[in-house]
Amino acid sequence: AQSVTQLGSHVSVSEGALVLLRCNYSSSVPPYLFWYVQYPNQGLQLLLKYTTGATLVKGINGFEAEFKKSETSFHLTKPSAHMSDAAEYFCAVSAEMDSSYKLIFGSGTRLLVRP
Amino acid sequence: ETGVTQSPTHLIKTRGQQVTLRCSSQSGHNTVSWYQQALGQGPQFIFQYYREEENGRGNFPPRFSGLQFPNYSSELNVNALELDDSALYLCASSLAPGRTTDTQYFGPGTRLTVL
Repeated sequence: AQSVTQLGSHVSVSEGALVLLRCNYSSSVPPYLFWYVQYPNQGLQLLLKYTTGATLVKGINGFEAEFKKSETSFHLTKPSAHMSDAAEYFCAVSAEMDSSYKLIFGSGTRLLVRP
Repeated sequence: ETGVTQSPTHLIKTRGQQVTLRCSSQSGHNTVSWYQQALGQGPQFIFQYYREEENGRGNFPPRFSGLQFPNYSSELNVNALELDDSALYLCASSLAPGRTTDTQYFGPGTRLTVL
């Protein structure tokens, strides 16, 4: 069965500092991995996804993530944090179920950006 | 291209009542998935509909049911509401259920409070 674990329920960085949000996955099959962002009182917006091919995935708003099979990780990074990045971030893995699939989410990491 | 919309935005019900939440998928998306997001947690998969048929279900009791209509709209119905049903309910639409690379596009959610 697939699962994801997000380390750190809260991460605080200064504006302009590196953002690193950690995600580790468990999957018995090659995983498809996603990062979603949720701003206050809003739904989820896709930041980026990994399916196959290049292990470094670039997403929107300057975010990127690297798939590392040996470490079963898919950490999200951004070189320089902006105040507008403050939000909740969710890592997810796609899990097959018969002829369909569902997303299994981690518990989320709240990113705080200090001025 | 219109996004995924949900109604109502907020809803307050009392224990034992029934509720219907509505979702309008992106045009052309014939798959809709519903998720429950309790406070401080990641979304949990409830079920998925494809071409008006249930196409997969998570670990939720039968009092959670759904409908999907030909006009890309869908409903989530919850009977005999319990206090633990208080959550943000998210719907997500996608092109097809069987392609694990397909992106799920989320609506803004309906915040249900059960008193």
